[in-house]
Amino acid sequence: LAKTTQPISMDSYEGQEVNITCSHNNIATNDYITWYQQFPSQGPRFIIQGYKTKVTNEVASLFIPADRKSSTLSLPRVSLSDTAVYYCLVGDFNDMRFGAGTRLTVKP
Amino acid sequence: GAVVSQHPSRVICKSGTSVKIECRSLDFQATTMFWYRQFPKKSLMLMATSNEGSKATYEQGVEKDKFLINHASLTLSTLTVTSAHPEDSSFYICSAGGEGFTEAFFGQGTRLTVV
Repeated sequence: LAKTTQPISMDSYEGQEVNITCSHNNIATNDYITWYQQFPSQGPRFIIQGYKTKVTNEVASLFIPADRKSSTLSLPRVSLSDTAVYYCLVGDFNDMRFGAGTRLTVKP
Repeated sequence: GAVVSQHPSRVICKSGTSVKIECRSLDFQATTMFWYRQFPKKSLMLMATSNEGSKATYEQGVEKDKFLINHASLTLSTLTVTSAHPEDSSFYICSAGGEGFTEAFFGQGTRLTVV
């Protein structure tokens, strides 16, 4: 599993767009990029996954540059309920080791 | 998405006893399951990976005789914490994926407290 680096924490305000970047310099050709969200005392929840360029679903967008050495999770118009830890994983589900994640705090 | 159910959600046991945690895939066949433990304010630490019908592969530093993992069917894996001690108190989480999956789906976690 490619090692990932994310900011430890981020603060935002309600209604703002939040972008969380993950660095993965040694990503392999077959690796996917997957983001999970975790609330306290709950299991992680799948947010989005991508391989290259841009992926969008009902909750987030994932931007992946051509060299795939980083990726950015974009959360549009965050609310207080988006306060959570966000994890970036690179690889596939056969090797699911988590990095430290980014603790996002959304303020009113 | 696929649904993974973990039971119990919380358990309190006495020191020296054993506790079993179940992880079930409800709507898919889980060829691979993962077990994690998580301490407060920390990330998930992978304990072991299990494939249906095979022995689990444990991460370095995880005692296989203390944390017994069984993945006897395509919908059920169990983690048994044997001779539990207070330091085993933690949040245990399972995840699962099936054939052709590119991501894993997680259970809701089990809060174990050993007193």
